[in-house]
Amino acid sequence: AQSVAQPEDQVNVAEGNPLTVKCTYSVSGNPYLFWYVQYPNRGLQFLLKYITGDNLVKGSYGFEAEFNKSQTSFHLKKPSALVSDSALYFCAVRDEGYNNDMRFGAGTRLTVKP
Amino acid sequence: DGGITQSPKYLFRKEGQNVTLSCEQNLNHDAMYWYRQDPGQGLRLIYYSQIVNDFQKGDIAEGYSVSREKKESFPLTVTSAQKNPTAFYLCASSIAWGDTQYFGPGTRLTVL
Repeated sequence: AQSVAQPEDQVNVAEGNPLTVKCTYSVSGNPYLFWYVQYPNRGLQFLLKYITGDNLVKGSYGFEAEFNKSQTSFHLKKPSALVSDSALYFCAVRDEGYNNDMRFGAGTRLTVKP
Repeated sequence: DGGITQSPKYLFRKEGQNVTLSCEQNLNHDAMYWYRQDPGQGLRLIYYSQIVNDFQKGDIAEGYSVSREKKESFPLTVTSAQKNPTAFYLCASSIAWGDTQYFGPGTRLTVL
């Protein structure tokens, strides 16, 4: 069975500083990893995913994530945070097995202060 | 949110009533999903459908029902058997089961 953890409920950064939102996972096989962002009272928007290949994945809005197999992590990063990046971020994982569904973390609220 | 619509945006229900939440997609996706979102709990899977005329229970299916008579539609009925239905409901779809999911804007259900 797969699971995902987002160890921080809240992350605060100053505008212009780099940001990191942490995610760790557990799977039996190979992981498919995803990041989504949610703005208030909206659905989730897909940011990026890792299936295979380069460990550094680039996604929408300048975000990127680094897959680290030894640490079973998939942290979301951005070199320079914007106030408009303030939102709820979800990490999700799916084991590559055919009938496994996607599991979402509890979410991390990112606040970027001017 | 493009390509997936949910209606209504807000829904109020009296105790004992069944209500149906609409989800429509024009992306020609085979798979569709329903999630429930509660504060601090992330998303929990209610039902999913890998293909038209087929659907399966997720982790929290009790008190809910679905149908998938058309590829583009996957309505969710919240029955009176659901004891705590107040939540934000999200519909999603993907090209095929297991692929990247794309979400609708959500329906906020409140029981009065």
